[in-house]
Formats: sequence, C-alpha cells, structure tokens
Amino acid sequence: GENVEQHPSTLSVQEGDSAVIKCTYSDSASNYFPWYKQELGKGPQLIIDIRSNVGEKKDQRIAVTLNKTAKHFSLHITETQPEDSAVYFCAASRYSGGYQKVTFGIGTKLQVIP
Amino acid sequence: ETGVTQTPRHLVMGMTNKKSLKCEQHLGHNAMYWYKQSAKKPLELMFVYSLEERVENNSVPSRFSPECPNSSHLFLHLHTLQPEDSALYLCASSQASGSYEQYFGPGTRLTVT
Repeated sequence: GENVEQHPSTLSVQEGDSAVIKCTYSDSASNYFPWYKQELGKGPQLIIDIRSNVGEKKDQRIAVTLNKTAKHFSLHITETQPEDSAVYFCAASRYSGGYQKVTFGIGTKLQVIP
Repeated sequence: ETGVTQTPRHLVMGMTNKKSLKCEQHLGHNAMYWYKQSAKKPLELMFVYSLEERVENNSVPSRFSPECPNSSHLFLHLHTLQPEDSALYLCASSQASGSYEQYFGPGTRLTVT
C-alpha cells in the first residue's frame, strides 16, 4: 500500500534557527502534498501545501520543496519562534474513488528552545 | 460555530457501553472522514463519506459503525470496544472532487476501560 516516511521524529532547535523536516512517498499517483501542524489539544491544521506541478512554494517563514522524480518533499521553517513548537505531519494525497485519499507521515515533534 | 466541530471532546467508556461521537462541518464540504490517531503511528483512515455515500471502509472492526445523515453531519457509533481502541478520533471534511485540503476538527479523546 501507500507509504509516507517522515524524518526526524523529534527535532529541537534554538529560537531563530531553521528547522527542516523531510518526507518520502511511495505512490507515484500522488499529486497533492499538504503539511499540517498539530498543537496540543487541537486537530491538525494546514500550514502549507504544494501540488505536483510545482517544485517549490514559500509563505513567509515556511517553504516546501518537492522532487517528484525522487519522491521527496521537505518543509523548511526559518527564524523559528517558540510558537512553532508543535507536531508537524507531511502527507501525500491523490483523488481516488470520490474522495481525497491521504497518506500521512508519522509526525515530527518540533521543540523551539527560547 | 465555524469550521469542523466534534463532541464530546473527551469520553471514557467501559467495554460494554454504547456511545456515539458527533462531527459537524460548517464549510459547505461534501466529503467527510473519520481518522484514528494513536501515539507513534500515522493517522489511520477509518471511513469516508462522499456525497453522503460511504466510499471507504478501511478494514475497520464492526464495533465501529459510521453514519452520515447529511453532508454536514457525521457520527461514529461505538459498542463493545476494546482497550486498544483508546485513541484520539479525528473528523475531517473536504470537497469531494479534486485535490483539496482536509479540514480537521479538534478530535474526541476516547479512553476505553
């Protein structure tokens, strides 16, 4: 079946430093790659997404890159702040049988140290 | 209320109880999802309703029974659960067609004793 590998599982950075989370996917039909942030006691919230026809996308301090050939995609957070501390999930998605078939990574717990 | 809401937020039930989880979306979406989130595991898709029809039942035990009376409401009926069913149950919604973001509710933390 489809699989999404995510690394690292935990990440600690000093405030102001950058954080990078990497994912690989197995389903070559995946064409939509969202990243979610989950804070304690809340459901996952979309922070950025990228479609398969785009190699890179940036939104303020957050950027995502996609290498379709290698089936790799990554999240980059620059100038990290304590409020960036949360669990981040990557996902690979395709439309199948009338719905969004989404496969999630296992999550990365990011801790930003003030 | 806006977005996706779930009730109750916390639930403790015995193995012989019957309870239901409720999800409501206020986004005009026409697909709704149930996921199970357990520690150190990826989110597991349980059920999908698209245009009020169940289109996915991801090998979920029959002690979990979904219901989707309309495109805005989704229920998960629970009976004779096992302790290993303790987890965070997340509801999500999206547009049924195309590649679109799923919007998640805050989840119901379920503990089976």
